[in-house]
Amino acid sequence: EAGVTQSPTHLIKTRGQQATLRCSPISGHTSVYWYQQALGLGLQFLLWYDEGEERNRGNFPPRFSGRQFPNYSSELNVNALELEDSALYLCASSNGDTDTQYFGPGTRLTVL
Amino acid sequence: QKEVEQDPGPLSVPEGAIVSLNCTYSNSAFQYFMWYRQYSRKGPELLMYTYSSGNKEDGRFTAQVDKSSKYISLFIRDSQPSDSATYLCASYSGGYNKLIFGAGTRLAVHP
Repeated sequence: EAGVTQSPTHLIKTRGQQATLRCSPISGHTSVYWYQQALGLGLQFLLWYDEGEERNRGNFPPRFSGRQFPNYSSELNVNALELEDSALYLCASSNGDTDTQYFGPGTRLTVL
Repeated sequence: QKEVEQDPGPLSVPEGAIVSLNCTYSNSAFQYFMWYRQYSRKGPELLMYTYSSGNKEDGRFTAQVDKSSKYISLFIRDSQPSDSATYLCASYSGGYNKLIFGAGTRLAVHP
């Protein structure tokens, strides 16, 4: 069974640009979660989508947004990129709100 | 105060040692507890999952949850160099509440 997949693996942008990151959950999973892992800061919760709806949001500015598609894949958009947005962005999926989360390999975003 | 506290280490042990990794949490509503292992530049991998208090064993790994003291532990027996990674504890209360991670403890097992 395929795990959570993310694309691209690496993304390099300049300050002020927009970044789009993609995630495909494990087959059968309806929930997708996004996390930011910046150096030295641990995993910070960004967004949670379930059945196409945003269920919870972390303490991030509105320029971090996303959506979940009918096939349960998800997209994270970061507008007006800042240098401190450089981090590993991790996507996880689960089958419902009480099931464990399984992580993808991440997208490393570098903002120059 | 962070909801889940974890000593970032690093922790360095010789091969074959018993490793004890610990976290504390502050939210009494937390019912679900996980341990993840993350190798450098990779996504976290689920190691152990427990519900409420008690012990759970899986091979060389044992997870313990003591809800009375709000303490979470992971024990690794006969540690191997391949166990060298960052170990993250995580907890949440269920529903549409977010999973809260500790900072992660870096473990190095040297031959």
